[in-house]
Amino acid sequence: DVKVTQSSRYLVKRTGEKVFLECVQDMDHENMFWYRQDPGLGLRLIYFSYDVKMKEKGDIPEGYSVSREKKERFSLILESASTNQTSMYLCASSPGGGMNTEAFFGQGTRLTVV
Amino acid sequence: AQSVTQLDSQVPVFEEAPVELRCNYSSSVSVYLFWYVQYPNQGLQLLLKYLSGSTLVKGINGFEAEFNKSQTSFHLRKPSVHISDTAEYFCAVIFNTDKLIFGTGTRLQVFP
Repeated sequence: DVKVTQSSRYLVKRTGEKVFLECVQDMDHENMFWYRQDPGLGLRLIYFSYDVKMKEKGDIPEGYSVSREKKERFSLILESASTNQTSMYLCASSPGGGMNTEAFFGQGTRLTVV
Repeated sequence: AQSVTQLDSQVPVFEEAPVELRCNYSSSVSVYLFWYVQYPNQGLQLLLKYLSGSTLVKGINGFEAEFNKSQTSFHLRKPSVHISDTAEYFCAVIFNTDKLIFGTGTRLQVFP
């Protein structure tokens, strides 16, 4: 089975801190995604990576950056956390290469910024 | 801009009643369509997908969906719901890249 693992289930950080959210997948997938999930807004794409060191902005990239140095790992970085970044963050991966099959999701990280 | 619309934010139904959750998308180009379910405090799980072929797609837990290209819709249906179907349901679409775009979700609440 495909496994997508997010490093933390719950995280509490202070305003202004630099925050790293880590995601690892074990199926050699090309594509990896970071979404944030907020009530009434669904899942909004923050960043998308289709290969190592390759990234593309999603719908809400402001305040975030990403890093993909290895194929299996995709990190989301909050350069200076703010209270409006309190949310559930979901990582996903998919095979890519035009296969257009389903994405597999991690369990999510609930981040609270105080 | 490419978008996915789920018009119903909440759908309350009684157990054993039929249900339809609506999903429309913005573009008539070739698309790939998905429905995901999220149970409380869990991640997203794939219910079903349409990639090509028959427009009626069957998924897990008795759900099915029909792809209607002319109406750019992919509505999810179940003829008889169970209490355990209470969850949030998300429609998602891949348009012309590998990016997966989600709707805002529909919370299905099944009452005894």
